[in-house]
This record gives sequence, C-alpha cells and structure tokens, in this order.
Amino acid sequence: DAGVIQSPRHEVTEMGQEVTLRCKPISGHNSLFWYRQTMMRGLELLIYFNNNVPIDDSGMPEDRFSAKMPNASFSTLKIQPSEPRDSAVYFCASSLTGVSADTQYFGPGTRLTVL
Amino acid sequence: GENVEQHPSTLSVQEGDSAVIKCTYSDSASNYFPWYKQELGKGPQLIIDIRSNVGEKKDQRIAVTLNKTAKHFSLHITETQPEDSAVYFCAASLSGGYQKVTFGIGTKLQVIP
Repeated sequence: DAGVIQSPRHEVTEMGQEVTLRCKPISGHNSLFWYRQTMMRGLELLIYFNNNVPIDDSGMPEDRFSAKMPNASFSTLKIQPSEPRDSAVYFCASSLTGVSADTQYFGPGTRLTVL
Repeated sequence: GENVEQHPSTLSVQEGDSAVIKCTYSDSASNYFPWYKQELGKGPQLIIDIRSNVGEKKDQRIAVTLNKTAKHFSLHITETQPEDSAVYFCAASLSGGYQKVTFGIGTKLQVIP
C-alpha cells in the first residue's frame, strides 16, 4: 500500500495567492481528515469527511479556507487568498471508520510558506 | 469537548535509559488512545494504541498504560536508542462513528548516544 499521498510536499507562495493542497487517501478508507500543524498550536483538525461528505468543519479557520472531496480517492484543501499566518505544515489523514480498526494514517504533509 | 494534556514537552535521556511520557484527558467517554511518533519532515505515524478495556499493552520496547479512573495514560520506552529521537503525540478519541481525535501538544524526545 502506498499510504496517504499528498502533493505538493512544499509550497511557497506570496500573500494573496490561491493555494491548493491535494490528498489521496488509502484505498478503501472511508474517512479523511485535514490537519494543520504549527509550533504554537500543535496539530489542529481542520475538517473531517466521511464517505466523501463533510461532517465537521468547525476547525476551518475562516472563509478563506475550503475543502472538497469529489470522490473517495481525492480531496483538496484550498486557501484563497493566502496570508502569512497560514504558513504551517498541512497533513491529510485517512481511516476506516465504523470498525475497530479506526486508526488514522497520516500523509507526509505539505509545508506551506506564505511570504 | 475533549482536552488532552501532555508532559513533558521535552525529554532528554541517555541511550539505554527509559523514557516516560504522560497524558491526561478530560472526557470520560473517550475509549481509544493512540500514540504517534513524528520524525523530522514526516507525518505522525502510529506506534501503539490502547483501548479502554485493557490497562496495559506492550510491543517490544514500548508499552502503554491506561488508568481510566484517573483519566491518564502513559507511554514507556525502554532501552532507548538514538532512532527513538522524535516528537511523540498522545491522543484520545471515541472509537467508532465520528472519531474526532484530540492530540496532545507533543513531547520532543532526544536520546543522547
């Protein structure tokens, strides 16, 4: 299994630009999570999808952030317009919800730098 | 909501010594407690987990203990090696259904050769 795949691994952009982060979950998993990691706040859950449907987006910072999951094998997290305070590492994780094996498996992350 | 506190934030041990990281949680309904290891430049990876129906679980050099009454759980690493150096996160969640996981702030472990 290839694990959770994220792209790009690194993104440097200027303030005001649109940023799109991509995630391919583990095949067969039905839950997908987007997290943001910073030194100050640690790992924060941004949004959770189950069977491609957004279930909890209470962690999305503001309207500049949006996430989609058009099918079971792809999700995007978009920031428009980006700001320097959005600089962080963004992780995607997937799991198989509803059975005992509900461990979340994380991707390698995307390091975002907004100048 | 759930709140997970983790300490210490940093821990340095000599190679071969043991390391202990402790966490407390607030929601007595939580029943699943995973531990993740994050190496530099990588995502967190599950190393061990424990469910509320057991008090201890061991996997080679790592073990976790859970005290549901006191709402705390701990990670124990014995015979530490330099490759154990990483950031370790504890977490708590309710297994099944919408299993929002709440993470601790992390412990940076340094094993000194």
